[in-house]
Amino acid sequence: AQTVTQSQPEMSVQEAETVTLSCTYDTSESDYYLFWYKQPPSRQMILVIRQEAYKQQNATENRFSVNFQKAAKSFSLKISDSQLGDAAMYFCAYRSGVEYGNKLVFGAGTILRVKS
Amino acid sequence: NAGVTQTPKFQVLKTGQSMTLQCAQDMNHNSMYWYRQDPGMGLRLIYYSASEGTTDKGEVPNGYNVSRLNKREFSLRLESAAPSQTSVYFCASRDRNYQPQHFGDGTRLSIL
Repeated sequence: AQTVTQSQPEMSVQEAETVTLSCTYDTSESDYYLFWYKQPPSRQMILVIRQEAYKQQNATENRFSVNFQKAAKSFSLKISDSQLGDAAMYFCAYRSGVEYGNKLVFGAGTILRVKS
Repeated sequence: NAGVTQTPKFQVLKTGQSMTLQCAQDMNHNSMYWYRQDPGMGLRLIYYSASEGTTDKGEVPNGYNVSRLNKREFSLRLESAAPSQTSVYFCASRDRNYQPQHFGDGTRLSIL
């Protein structure tokens, strides 16, 4: 079974600075997808960014980018120019590209605090 | 423009009571999922329905049942609630294989 590990329970960043959240995963599959979800205090689960394993190029979405290291099974999220609205819990998630049901496996999450 | 709608948003139960959490999506998605979120553990899959008419167990199915009533609706039932089922429950849906899951706003369930 696949597992996702987020080793940083909490992180802090100064407004306008850059922060990187870590995620590692364990799988024997070659076809899969990786996601970062943001959960603000409102409890909504908001998709931040996604990465297909077959793509070598790292995904970017405005101030959010990932460093996808397939061989190392690492998928970190970089937030540039951090804003107060970025404060939230961030979850890394894995989804098989071949397994029936395409279920998500989540890490335990990282709380990001943004200081003004 | 509702997306995934969960009802209720909050509920308090006594141990042994039964309860059905409702989930409906208006995006014509094929697959639907129920997760629970506990502190320090991320979201864990309870049950899922890959397509209308099918349901399968996830990682933590004990104490729960589900019904895929039609393509839109996927309900989660607690037959005899236990304090260990105190959690936040999320419903999600997904269209095609390469699409991400869309989540509802969650139901906070407390069992005393």
